[in-house]
This record gives sequence, structure tokens and C-alpha cells, in this order.
Amino acid sequence: DTGVSQNPRHKITKRGQNVTFRCDPISEHNRLYWYRQTLGQGPEFLTYFQNEAQLEKSRLLSDRFSAERPKGSFSTLEIQRTEQGDSAMYLCASSKQTEAFFGQGTRLTVV
Amino acid sequence: GQSLEQPSEVTAVEGAIVQINCTYQTSGFYGLSWYQQHDGGAPTFLSYNALDGLEETGRFSSFLSRSDSYGYLLLQELQMKDSASYFCAVCRDDKIIFGKGTRLHILP
Repeated sequence: DTGVSQNPRHKITKRGQNVTFRCDPISEHNRLYWYRQTLGQGPEFLTYFQNEAQLEKSRLLSDRFSAERPKGSFSTLEIQRTEQGDSAMYLCASSKQTEAFFGQGTRLTVV
Repeated sequence: GQSLEQPSEVTAVEGAIVQINCTYQTSGFYGLSWYQQHDGGAPTFLSYNALDGLEETGRFSSFLSRSDSYGYLLLQELQMKDSASYFCAVCRDDKIIFGKGTRLHILP
């Protein structure tokens, strides 16, 4: 197993454009998490899935953000009408029990 | 809601011992985890405490007191490669919520 994989690693987009990120978790992990991290801060919880069910979404997450995990395997995070404040590292993690394994993240820059 | 408090920075000398404290307020608490993150890297799991007491893994130990809503990470025989950010995280309702992290600086 190659661990959690995220694509792309870097994304530069113009304000107002839509972007989509992909996360491929470790295959036997049923839980998948999305976090956002800015410099000097801890990972901020966005949403998580148990298999294909999205169980919780942070109330900090605007309606411009949506995530899916259609078959309980890979997941996508879409940000619509991006804003400069969306610039951050977006981290995906998966777990089976208490230990979460993180991908290398997608660094989003909105210009 | 939930909140976690940990010092923003700690400095220690190579070869010494350092303790990073974490206090938390949350409902539905399952356990306390610790993660390490080097600059430019992803967080990596260090330890998990569900019950009160000390868990030891090599040079790193983690402690939890559920009654005090308090835990700490203890790093012994510090090495330069331990320079990183350390996050405590509460596990509640299958969700993992992270603190803001403690930046550990190690002096030679």
C-alpha cells in the first residue's frame, strides 16, 4: 500500500474559478477526513466520511465547499467560486481506528 | 463545541527532556492523540491515549488525565530531527479535532 494519495499537489487558480481535489485513502480504511491548514495553525476539520456516508461537515464550511465519496473509496473536495481566503493546504487523512494517516496535501493558491 | 490549548512554542537543548502540555474541553471525548509535523510535511501519528496514565513508545511518552482534561507529550533524549510542530488532537464521535500546535525548537 502506498499510503494516502492526494492530487494535485499544487493548484493555482484565479479568484472565482472552481477547483476540485482528489484523495485516495488507504484501501481498507473506512473513515476519510478533509482538513484545511494555514501557516502556523493546526489542521482545521472540514468534513469526514464513514464509508460513503458524509457524517459531519464543519459549520465553518461555506456552501461553496462540497465533498463526495461516491463508492466509499476515493473522495473529492470541490470549492466553487474560489476566494483569496481559500488559499491554504488541504489535507486528506484516512483511518480504520484511532490512528489517522495523512496525505501530502494539495496546496491551493488563489490569485 | 471543543477547544484545545497547547503552548505555541517550546525551546529545549539537544539531549534534554521536554514536555508539551495540552488541555482540552470537549463533549463525547474518546481519547487524546499526538501528531508530529515537520515543515513542508504531513502530520504523522505519534500516540493515542484512551485511558488515564502513561503510554511509552521509545523516546516518546504520552500521558492522559481524563478527570483533569489534560495530557502531555514527553520527548526524551532530544535530537535535532525532533524539531517540528506537535499537535494534540481529541478524538470524539469518530472525528479528530486538532489543536493549534506547539513549535519545538531544539538548540545544539
